[in-house]
Amino acid sequence: GDSVTQMEGPVTLSEEAFLTINCTYTATGYPSLFWYVQYPGEGLQLLLKATKADDKGSNKGFEATYRKETTSFHLEKGSVQVSDSAVYFCALNSPTGNQFYFGTGTSLTVIP
Amino acid sequence: NAGVTQTPKFQVLKTGQSMTLQCAQDMNHNSMYWYRQDPGMGLRLIYYSASEGTTDKGEVPNGYNVSRLNKREFSLRLESAAPSQTSVYFCASGQGAVWGNTIYFGEGSWLTVV
Repeated sequence: GDSVTQMEGPVTLSEEAFLTINCTYTATGYPSLFWYVQYPGEGLQLLLKATKADDKGSNKGFEATYRKETTSFHLEKGSVQVSDSAVYFCALNSPTGNQFYFGTGTSLTVIP
Repeated sequence: NAGVTQTPKFQVLKTGQSMTLQCAQDMNHNSMYWYRQDPGMGLRLIYYSASEGTTDKGEVPNGYNVSRLNKREFSLRLESAAPSQTSVYFCASGQGAVWGNTIYFGEGSWLTVV
């Protein structure tokens, strides 16, 4: 069945460091791919998405490219800030549109 | 600018008690979802409703019931709460079976069963 695997955490970085959080997926057909972010005590918020191969989603300095050949959707940011400390979830939406599959989440802490 | 609203935000139950978590969305979305979040296990789908009048089981439906009351509201009921149901519960809604369907989450309900 469809599934998402993302890198284990926690991840700790210094402010202004480069961030990569790996995400790979297994799916039939052509799913849409998402990154959600969860700040402490809050619900998940959509960070970015991509709906077809080679699409790049971007928001708030974060980027991820839909790579069908490697079934990946890695999240990157060139210079993290303390305010980026959160849990990040990779997700996919099956082509039928109604089923979402989430990774287990990666906790990021950015220290000044 | 409410989006998805869940109530209550916090609840403590005794084993065997029942309760209902309420969820409402104001985005005219067709599909609604209930997830639970547990440490190290990410999000797991309990039930979802693809459209008004339909509900389907997700990955972990045992011990729960749902009602899609109308297009806006989707409630989750615990008939006889167990300590294993201590979790954070999230309601979400989305456009439905369309390409690129995106779901939007409520702020969560923290439930403790003692």
